[in-house]
Amino acid sequence: DAGVIQSPRHEVTEMGQEVTLRCKPISGHDYLFWYRQTMMRGLELLIYFNNNVPIDDSGMPEDRFSAKMPNASFSTLKIQPSEPRDSAVYFCASSLALAGRYTGELFFGEGSRLTVL
Amino acid sequence: AQSVTQLGSHVSVSEGALVLLRCNYSSSVPPYLFWYVQYPNQGLQLLLKYTSAATLVKGINGFEAEFKKSETSFHLTKPSAHMSDAAEYFCAVPPFNFGNEKLTFGTGTRLTIIP
Repeated sequence: DAGVIQSPRHEVTEMGQEVTLRCKPISGHDYLFWYRQTMMRGLELLIYFNNNVPIDDSGMPEDRFSAKMPNASFSTLKIQPSEPRDSAVYFCASSLALAGRYTGELFFGEGSRLTVL
Repeated sequence: AQSVTQLGSHVSVSEGALVLLRCNYSSSVPPYLFWYVQYPNQGLQLLLKYTSAATLVKGINGFEAEFKKSETSFHLTKPSAHMSDAAEYFCAVPPFNFGNEKLTFGTGTRLTIIP
């Protein structure tokens, strides 16, 4: 089975440009999470979806960040305009609920390393 | 809210030596506890999971963890370290109340294996 697929793996852009990160979760999974990882702040949850519906976006740092999940097999995280402090590795993860209950078992993609100059 | 504390941001052990990575959870007994591993330039992957069915949990790659309620601990061990174990390890706990699906990760412990 294919795991969580993220693209691009690496993105280098200039400050002010729009960045779009993409994620394809594991087929059949109910939950999709976007995390950001930096040396200073560790692993931060940005937003998560359940059955394509955003449930909690309290981790989204600013209005410059937005995320969508138009269908069960695709999600995007967009930063507009990008700033140097957004440089980080962004991970997408998906999870399957068992008997309607969230288990906390996450399957991560390999991440998208973003560098904003 | 549930939380976990990982003692030691960096741990170095010699190849073949015992690996011990520490994790303590906050006072409420959690329904699950996890250890995740992150190899360089990769995403996190599940190493093992505690579900209250057994206090000693065996995971992949020879790792195991023991849940100790009296010590509020869930330390990760491996009897004999291998070079391929070099990675960052994260302890994680789900929220106490279901309905909030935020998994809380510890700050991570970077494991270095000395040849």
